[in-house]
Amino acid sequence: ETGVTQTPRHLVMGMTNKKSLKCEQHLGHNAMYWYKQSAKKPLELMFVYNFKEQTENNSVPSRFSPECPNSSHLFLHLHTLQPEDSALYLCASSQTTSGTGRPGYTFGSGTRLTVV
Amino acid sequence: GEDVEQSLFLSVREGDSSVINCTYTDSSSTYLYWYKQEPGAGLQLLTYIFSNMDMKQDQRLTVLLNKKDKHLSLRIADTQTGDSAIYFCAEIPYGQNFVFGPGTRLSVLP
Repeated sequence: ETGVTQTPRHLVMGMTNKKSLKCEQHLGHNAMYWYKQSAKKPLELMFVYNFKEQTENNSVPSRFSPECPNSSHLFLHLHTLQPEDSALYLCASSQTTSGTGRPGYTFGSGTRLTVV
Repeated sequence: GEDVEQSLFLSVREGDSSVINCTYTDSSSTYLYWYKQEPGAGLQLLTYIFSNMDMKQDQRLTVLLNKKDKHLSLRIADTQTGDSAIYFCAEIPYGQNFVFGPGTRLSVLP
C-alpha cells in the first residue's frame, strides 16, 4: 500500500457506458495527477491538479473528464470511450507541483481499463 | 524539448549485477529518480539522487550520476528474480512536471 488508493482495480466497459475511476490519498499532498500507460506509449501525463485547480490538460479528448473536489480525491469520468482507450490508468500525488517537499510522486496501483 | 532515454530491455542471470542506463536532456532538475513497476502494479519510488551528488548507495542499489554527460545509471548488485520489473528513469525539469523515460524491462534468468 503506497498511500494512494485507486478503485476499481479492474474495469470492463462498453463503448456506450459511463463509468468513473477514483483516486484517494491521505498523505497531505496538494497535487494530483492522472497518467495513462499503454503498450504504445508507456507513460502519458493526462491531467494535473494543484490545490484542487486543474493546471494541465495534456490535449486529452473530452470523453475523459477529471474532477478534483478536494486535495485528497481525484476522479476520472469516462464516457463513450473507444477500444484504443484500453490501458492502465495511474493516479499519482505529490506535495505540490513546484517540486518542494519530499521529492517524487507517489503512485497508486492503477485501474486496468478494458473497453469492449 | 525535454527527453529521457533508456534501453528497453535487459536480461541478466540471477546473482549477477544489473546496470540500467539513462540519458536526459534537461540539466535544471534538482533530483533524478528511479521508479520500479512490478507486473500489474503502479510505479514505486525506488531511489533518487540529488543533482549535486555523483553517487548514492542504498543496500543493493547504487546510483551514479554524470552531470556533464547527463547520464544516470542504476546498478543492482546480486540481482534476484524479485527484481524482474520495469525500471523508469525520471527527472523534473525546473517548473515542469515529471519527464519519464520509456522504461527498461529487466528480466532475471535463473
